[in-house]
Amino acid sequence: KAGVTQTPRYLIKTRGQQVTLSCSPISGHRSVSWYQQTPGQGLQFLFEYFSETQRNKGNFPGRFSGRQFSNSRSEMNVSTLELGDSALYLCASSLRGFVGELFFGEGSRLTVL
Amino acid sequence: QKEVEQNSGPLSVPEGAIASLNCTYSDRVSQSFFWYRQYSGKSPELIMSIYSNGDKEDGRFTAQLNKASQYVSLLIRDSQPSDSATYLCAVNAGSGTYKYIFGTGTRLKVLA
Repeated sequence: KAGVTQTPRYLIKTRGQQVTLSCSPISGHRSVSWYQQTPGQGLQFLFEYFSETQRNKGNFPGRFSGRQFSNSRSEMNVSTLELGDSALYLCASSLRGFVGELFFGEGSRLTVL
Repeated sequence: QKEVEQNSGPLSVPEGAIASLNCTYSDRVSQSFFWYRQYSGKSPELIMSIYSNGDKEDGRFTAQLNKASQYVSLLIRDSQPSDSATYLCAVNAGSGTYKYIFGTGTRLKVLA
């Protein structure tokens, strides 16, 4: 069974640019959530999607957005990048999203210069 | 107050010893509790889940939950150098919220 796939794995952007990250969940999993991981803050919840609906959102500015497609694949977008957006962005899939375990992808490491 | 608190460590234990990792959480309505292991440069992987008070054992790992004290722990018996990693405690933020709150993790070092 294939795991969670995230693309791209590494990317470098400059301040002011925007970035789109992609996540393909485990087959059959309908919940996809996104987390930002930084050394100082740990894993911070960004948002969760289930059947194309955003069910919850973390405390991040509106520059961070996401969506989920009918095949459960998800994308997140960060606009007007800031230096502080440099982080590892992790996608996790789950069968149901609220009592089920999370299965993480390898992450997309974003560096903002 | 942080919602999920862990001692950042490092916690150093000799090979073969029991490693004890602790986590406290602030939201009394939390219902689901998880331990993840994260090796350096890798993504978190699930070790244990626990939903009711008491102990749950899986191989060398035992998760303990005490909802009255808002406390969850992970014991690793017969610790191996390969157990050296950061252990993340995660708590479901309650029914209907669909999000998990992670602690910042405890770094474990198992000394050969």
